[in-house]
Amino acid sequence: EIVLTQSPGTLSLSPGERATLSCRASQSVSSSYLVWYQQRPGQAPRLLIYGASSRATGIPDRFSGSGSGTDFTLTISRLEPEDFAVYYCQQYSTSPALTFGGGTKVEIK
Amino acid sequence: QVQLVESGGGLVKPGGSLRLSCAASGFTFSDYYMTWIRQAPGKGLEWVSYSTGTGFTKFYADSVKGRFTISRDNAKNSLYLQMNSLRAEDTAIYYCARRQDGNNWAFDVWGQGTMVTVSS
Repeated sequence: EIVLTQSPGTLSLSPGERATLSCRASQSVSSSYLVWYQQRPGQAPRLLIYGASSRATGIPDRFSGSGSGTDFTLTISRLEPEDFAVYYCQQYSTSPALTFGGGTKVEIK
Repeated sequence: QVQLVESGGGLVKPGGSLRLSCAASGFTFSDYYMTWIRQAPGKGLEWVSYSTGTGFTKFYADSVKGRFTISRDNAKNSLYLQMNSLRAEDTAIYYCARRQDGNNWAFDVWGQGTMVTVSS
C-alpha cells in the first residue's frame, strides 16, 4: 500500500502570505494520479489539482501543484481568507486503489 | 446543475446493516465511475469503494471488503452502498463522488455526505 504523508500537520500563516504544502509518498506515484483537495469546515472536499499540476475548473491561479515520483507540493501563492482550510493529497494505484494523505490544516496566524 | 445527494445514514447498532443511496442529476450517470469515500469525526478522508460506469467492476478497501457492497442503478441515476456487519470504526460521514472525465482518478463532484453512527 502506498502511504501518503503530508507535512506540516498545521501551517499558521497570515492572509497574503505564501503557503507550501508537502505530500510525500512511500513509493513512486504516477504524476497522472496525484490529486489535491481543499476541505472547508462542514463542507465536502473540493477538487483543486489533478495530474499533480493541472488546476480543476474554476480554481484560481494562485493554486499550483508540482512534483513527481515521491515528492509533491501544493503552493498557494497569496492566501485569501477563504483559503484557510484543510488540504488533502490523494493517489491512485492498482492496489489498494486509492489512498489519501492525513491532511494539512492551513490556519490564520 | 450537476449534483449528488446522499441519503440513508443514521444510528445503527454494532453488527447491524444500513443501505446508503446517492442520487445523481445533471449529467449522464452511466458514463462515470462513482465512488464512496468516508470521513470519521475529526479525521481525514478514507476511500471505501468504487464502481465503473457499467457497474460490472467494483473495488473495495480492505477495511470494508466482505462487509460492504457497492451497486448502481443507471436507469435511476443512483449509487448505493450496502453496509453489513457494521462496527464502531465505520462511524463516519459517507460521501459519494464522481470521477471526472479522463483517466486521472480525480473526483470533481461530491455530495454533501450522510452521517453513519455505529453505537450500542
